[in-house]
Amino acid sequence: QKEVEQNSGPLSVPEGAIASLNCTYSDRGSQSFFWYRQYSGKSPELIMSIYSNGDKEDGRFTAQLNKASQYVSLLIRDSQPSDSATYLCAVIPLGMKLTFGTGTRLTIIP
Amino acid sequence: KAGVTQTPRYLIKTRGQQVTLSCSPISGHRSVSWYQQTPGQGLQFLFEYFSETQRNKGNFPGRFSGRQFSNSRSEMNVSTLELGDSALYLCASGDGTARKQFFGPGTRLTVL
Repeated sequence: QKEVEQNSGPLSVPEGAIASLNCTYSDRGSQSFFWYRQYSGKSPELIMSIYSNGDKEDGRFTAQLNKASQYVSLLIRDSQPSDSATYLCAVIPLGMKLTFGTGTRLTIIP
Repeated sequence: KAGVTQTPRYLIKTRGQQVTLSCSPISGHRSVSWYQQTPGQGLQFLFEYFSETQRNKGNFPGRFSGRQFSNSRSEMNVSTLELGDSALYLCASGDGTARKQFFGPGTRLTVL
């Protein structure tokens, strides 16, 4: 079982709709969770971090964490074409090294 | 604050050669991590340095090595290059608590 799993996509969402990205992790002791956005040919950019159960909102982005289900998600409201990118879920398990999923490619359709 | 810088941005080498990549973290950050990114494998962790000490190491052969200097700048070395080492090598800077990490622009290595 992979430490961090994401659906590779591609996920296509109409402009203005909500994009929902999901991630599961295997280490129940994980404490820190992150979402990175990576445009083609660029390096990953940190967009959200979450450490406790529940929702965390930042502008059009909402991160959701459920430790009991070992599940973290990212919602993007009012999706824009500029949101088209690969989204990487990252987790810090007990081993303390940041571990990435393989990413979900998101395409926003104008 | 200036971001993470990596040099060089692009490199072309031939099999058997060695290469050294450099990373300067965000000012005040003492943690530097290195990752290899390829289309097939995604982001793979190489190693992490904190205050000149290797704190974590990924599952890469001994040809991959690194070090960190007292000013937190880090270098990564790959010896006896193989075709499969062609990748984007990313450096990430952190404040040392192993939480948020910020990536540099990367070094694109091509091995011919």
